[in-house]
Amino acid sequence: QVQLQESGPGLVKPSETLSLTCTVSGGSISSNFWTWIRQPAGKGLEWIGRIYPSGSTNYNPSLKSRVTMSVDTSKNQFSLKLSSVTAADTAVYYCARETQWLVQFLFDSWGQGTLVTVSS
Amino acid sequence: DIQMTQSPSSLSASVGDRVTITCRASQSIRSNLNWYQQKPGKAPKVLIYDASSLQSGVPSRFSGSGSGTDFTLTISSLQPEDFATYYCQQSYSTPRTFGQGTKLEIK
Repeated sequence: QVQLQESGPGLVKPSETLSLTCTVSGGSISSNFWTWIRQPAGKGLEWIGRIYPSGSTNYNPSLKSRVTMSVDTSKNQFSLKLSSVTAADTAVYYCARETQWLVQFLFDSWGQGTLVTVSS
Repeated sequence: DIQMTQSPSSLSASVGDRVTITCRASQSIRSNLNWYQQKPGKAPKVLIYDASSLQSGVPSRFSGSGSGTDFTLTISSLQPEDFATYYCQQSYSTPRTFGQGTKLEIK
């Protein structure tokens, strides 16, 4: 059973860059899409983007100018950088695996989530 | 972007009730629709994929239907552990998008 674990600072100053890493255990990162999703307190889920093991990425257009994702297959990790953060970026950030089953895609494994607060 | 709209936003029901949550896409997404359950402080958990396929380990009281733009999630007989927030999500195109959620509360 694959497990995902987010790590990174829980507090980031406005205008700085949020950096998170997701470590995958119990399975290889060498297939599937690896995704970041966030959820502000009391609100819904927002897809930030995904990365394939080859390094190919898809980003949410609403965040594209500020997002960078990377993958390190040797460490079984993938990462998120979100630049120029504001209070609106305060949220629980989840990493997740998007599995392809025939022509369907689903988020079938999730990290526990990590709260990132943007504040000075 | 494909907009996903769920209704109702909240719902009160009793143990044993049959409940239905609906989800509408702003354009056809064929059957590329997933349903998730989220409990407070926890990550979402997939219940249904491909609009009507039950994820492994999910109780059979959960079922999904629909295609194109209109979808439903049905819980046939509510159990205490089913009180949670439910989200639909389209996997037809990127960016992936979710409905706003339906909070299912105990009456």
